[in-house]
Amino acid sequence: AQRVTQPEKLLSVFKGAPVELKCNYSYSGSPELFWYVQYSRQRLQLLLRHISRESIKGFTADLNKGETSFHLKKPFAQEEDSAMYYCALKSGGSNYKLTFGKGTLLTVNP
Amino acid sequence: ETGVTQSPTHLIKTRGQQVTLRCSSQSGHNTVSWYQQALGQGPQFIFQYYREEENGRGNFPPRFSGLQFPNYSSELNVNALELDDSALYLCASSEKPDRTTDTQYFGPGTRLTVL
Repeated sequence: AQRVTQPEKLLSVFKGAPVELKCNYSYSGSPELFWYVQYSRQRLQLLLRHISRESIKGFTADLNKGETSFHLKKPFAQEEDSAMYYCALKSGGSNYKLTFGKGTLLTVNP
Repeated sequence: ETGVTQSPTHLIKTRGQQVTLRCSSQSGHNTVSWYQQALGQGPQFIFQYYREEENGRGNFPPRFSGLQFPNYSSELNVNALELDDSALYLCASSEKPDRTTDTQYFGPGTRLTVL
């Protein structure tokens, strides 16, 4: 069975500091991984997916199959990055089932 | 382009009752997925509907059922409500169920409280 683990429930950094949100997964197939973000009073939205290998809002994430990780990184955190971040794994082949981690609440202090 | 909408926003029911939650998918999307998000947890997949047929189900009992209509809107029905059913119910729509490049767009959710 697939599983996504986000070990940190809360993460607090200062503006301008680097930030890394950790995500580990367990899946026997070929994984497709995503980061979703939920800003205060907004709906859940896709931040980035590993297959695109792109940087969104300064965030990047690299899939490391050896370590089964997909950590989200940003070199210089901004106050507007404060949000709840969820790592998610797509599985199921013919259907778009997402398995989410429990989320990490990131707070960027001024 | 209209985003995913859900109704109602909040709902309070008592144990044993039945509830129906509604979702309108984003324009052009024919796939709807439902998730349950308990407090402090990530969303958990309930089931998915594609072209009016169930297209996958998570680990939820049969008292959780759904429908998708020809206009691709969807309903989630929960019978015999239990206290643990209290959660935020999220609906997400996408263009197709299995395209890797596809994105699931989430609605704002319906907050269900079971007393």
